[in-house]
Amino acid sequence: AQKITQTQPGMFVQEKEAVTLDCTYDTSDPSYGLFWYKQPSSGEMIFLIYQGSYDQQNATEGRYSLNFQKARKSANLVISASQLGDSAMYFCAMREGLYDPGNQFYFGTGTSLTVIP
Amino acid sequence: DSGVTQTPKHLITATGQRVTLRCSPRSGDLSVYWYQQSLDQGLQFLIQYYNGEERAKGNILERFSAQQFPDLHSELNLSSLELGDSALYFCASSAQGGLSGANVLTFGAGSRLTVL
Repeated sequence: AQKITQTQPGMFVQEKEAVTLDCTYDTSDPSYGLFWYKQPSSGEMIFLIYQGSYDQQNATEGRYSLNFQKARKSANLVISASQLGDSAMYFCAMREGLYDPGNQFYFGTGTSLTVIP
Repeated sequence: DSGVTQTPKHLITATGQRVTLRCSPRSGDLSVYWYQQSLDQGLQFLIQYYNGEERAKGNILERFSAQQFPDLHSELNLSSLELGDSALYFCASSAQGGLSGANVLTFGAGSRLTVL
């Protein structure tokens, strides 16, 4: 089974609107972390936001928030007030067993977001 | 600057050749990961090292090999190169574990390999 599933290959959003990028995960480990990364056309991978499995509140970082629904195993990224510079590929990732520093990260296939002026 | 240094940034070579990509992790990070990203594709996990030892292996071809040295820098060796090996190769590093965002995976800028 896939550890991380991103079902939206491509998304469009109007500038200044909010958009939600979906991510579901699969793990039986009670200790895990969820991450979102942005990859603009220039190619670099930019860390956006982190949510730990024991965090009680949804993570927020500026215009980014993570809608964490533990029972549904979903970790959707919400971008508010979209800007043209948000056009990029977005990857969801998970790391299990956070107490083991050698554990690997699992990435989804990505969602390509296009912001329309 | 993410703190993860990859060299070279760009590399053009011919089929059948061998290249070495180098990575210096962020200061204090013990884990190094290598990923391959072909054009318009997702990230393919190749291999992971933790404090000098191989920790996990992904879809890494037998023509590819890697190692992490005592100073924690890592090298990815690609041999008998084929056209299909053209891709962006990322190195990333992570810190100690724990329930905080400090265990984030930090990427280098990537090495773009073109095989002609």
